[in-house]
Amino acid sequence: KAGVTQTPRYLIKTRGQQVTLSCSPISGHRSVSWYQQTPGQGLQFLFEYFSETQRNKGNFPGRFSGRQFSNSRSEMNVSTLELGDSALYLCASSLEGLPNNEQFFGPGTRLTVL
Amino acid sequence: AQRVTQPEKLLSVFKGAPVELKCNYSYSGSPELFWYVQYSRQRLQLLLRHISRESIKGFTADLNKGETSFHLKKPFAQEEDSAMYYCALRDFSGNTPLVFGKGTRLSVIA
Repeated sequence: KAGVTQTPRYLIKTRGQQVTLSCSPISGHRSVSWYQQTPGQGLQFLFEYFSETQRNKGNFPGRFSGRQFSNSRSEMNVSTLELGDSALYLCASSLEGLPNNEQFFGPGTRLTVL
Repeated sequence: AQRVTQPEKLLSVFKGAPVELKCNYSYSGSPELFWYVQYSRQRLQLLLRHISRESIKGFTADLNKGETSFHLKKPFAQEEDSAMYYCALRDFSGNTPLVFGKGTRLSVIA
């Protein structure tokens, strides 16, 4: 069974630009969560989608948004990029988003903002 | 609010020595605790969770609700245990997102 895939793996942008990251969950998984990983703050939750609906949202500004498609694939978008948005963005999927269901993580997208 | 604290950024031990990675949490509800591990150049993966009460790769962790701790232990460290370890928490219902600690880098010295 293929794991969670994320594209692109690396991205370089400049301040003020916008970026879209993509996540394909494990086949059959309907819950997708996004996290930002930085050396200073560690892993911070961005949002979770389940059956195309945002179910939970972390404490990030409105510049960060996401969506989920009917095939469970998810995208996150960051507008008006800032230097502090440089991070590894991780996507995780789980079967149903229910108790006891394990989250499986993707390899991440490394975003560098210059 | 949920909070997970891992007091050590880096822990170095000799091969064969016991290992204890500390994790303390703050949560008013009923928590579910996890340990995740990230080996070099690999993706983050679940190591163990308190409800399973398993020993994975020789590691164990017991949830101590009185001390609000979930320390990860292994009696004899191996070089292949060198990795980044994250403690994480969510509500036992599964309806809240995972909250991670900032991680502890374990270095096992031969």
